[in-house]
Amino acid sequence: DAGVTQSPTHLIKTRGQQVTLRCSPKSGHDTVSWYQQALGQGPQFIFQYYEEEERQRGNFPDRFSGHQFPNYSSELNVNALLLGDSALYLCASSWGDRFPEAFFGQGTRLTVV
Amino acid sequence: TQLLEQSPQFLSIQEGENLTVYCNSSSVFSSLQWYRQEPGEGPVLLVTVVTGGEVKKLKRLTFQFGDARKDSSLHITAAQPGDTGLYLCAGHGSSNTGKLIFGQGTTLQVKP
Repeated sequence: DAGVTQSPTHLIKTRGQQVTLRCSPKSGHDTVSWYQQALGQGPQFIFQYYEEEERQRGNFPDRFSGHQFPNYSSELNVNALLLGDSALYLCASSWGDRFPEAFFGQGTRLTVV
Repeated sequence: TQLLEQSPQFLSIQEGENLTVYCNSSSVFSSLQWYRQEPGEGPVLLVTVVTGGEVKKLKRLTFQFGDARKDSSLHITAAQPGDTGLYLCAGHGSSNTGKLIFGQGTTLQVKP
């Protein structure tokens, strides 16, 4: 089992550009959540996808959008990048409703210059 | 808004010492989880506590959920250099759909 895989692992973008990050969930998992983790901080919830719909959203602007595909994989898109968007972006997959265990990928390190 | 406060934020100790990390909130959580994260990796789940007053042990690690389900602690006995990492507590939001609210983390360094 490959677990949760994210791509790319590292990315450098310029302010104002757009970026797409990708996530393949653990086999058997149908729910994908995205988190942003600034250096030295805990992860912050961006949004969660289930059955190809955004089920929950954290306190992030509309520049952050996502998608879930029929095979449960997911993308995170960020438009009009700001320097403050530099962070580690984590994808977590899970299954089930009651306190599901979240399995995290290794993250994508995004640097905006 | 549900928030989790962890303390201390940084901890540097010698091998063999004991330590406790605290995770506190003014809100009630349905469950609390503890994760460990190493540099360049995603968090890895250590334990989930669900019942108020619950105590779980994982080798040298002891986890406790407060009676009121507003706080939790992680105690490590006889710390080893391999315990070095970022420890995160996380609570499930009221919807229980998997959204996790994380504390800011405790960076632990265990020196040989």
